[in-house]
Amino acid sequence: EAGVAQSPRYKIIEKRQSVAFWCNPISGHATLYWYQQILGQGPKLLIQFQNNGVVDDSQLPKDRFSAERLKGVDSTLKIQPAKLEDSAVYLCASSQGLAGTEQYFGPGTRLTVT
Amino acid sequence: AQSVTQLDSQVPVFEEAPVELRCNYSSSVSVYLFWYVQYPNQGLQLLLKYLSGSTLVKSINGFEAEFNKSQTSFHLRKPSVHISDTAEYFCAVSDDSSASKIIFGSGTRLSIRP
Repeated sequence: EAGVAQSPRYKIIEKRQSVAFWCNPISGHATLYWYQQILGQGPKLLIQFQNNGVVDDSQLPKDRFSAERLKGVDSTLKIQPAKLEDSAVYLCASSQGLAGTEQYFGPGTRLTVT
Repeated sequence: AQSVTQLDSQVPVFEEAPVELRCNYSSSVSVYLFWYVQYPNQGLQLLLKYLSGSTLVKSINGFEAEFNKSQTSFHLRKPSVHISDTAEYFCAVSDDSSASKIIFGSGTRLSIRP
């Protein structure tokens, strides 16, 4: 079974530039999550999709971050414009979506904003 | 609202010594509890979880955690650690009301000295 795929693995941009991350979840997983993990902290949920609908985006900075999950499979997370404090690892995870079920994580994208 | 507190940001131990990583949570409803592990340069993966039933849960590599409702704790223990256990460990909580959303603690870095 293929795991959660993410690309790119690393990205360096200057502040005020735009960046996009891509995630392909495990086949058949209805729920997809994007997390932000700042160095020294635990993952923080940015947005949760159930199929192609948003379940929770309460911690997504909507003035600069956006995410979509077209057709309920792949997802993209975009930052426009980036700030220095957006430097972090962006993790994508997927699950079957039931309470208590395991989330499977991708390798993450390490973003450095200079 | 749910929250997770990991009291120790770093725990250094000698190889073959016992270790305990502490985790306390707060939630107003019945909870599901998880320990995730992040080995160096790898993605997050589930170590063990408590959903219901026996309060003592075990992983395949010798770790165990005990759900203590009265103390709202889910501490992780191993009687004898190995160099390969070097990693960051994250405690996490979820519940039936959160549609599989997981809240992570800030993590504990376990470093093993030979």
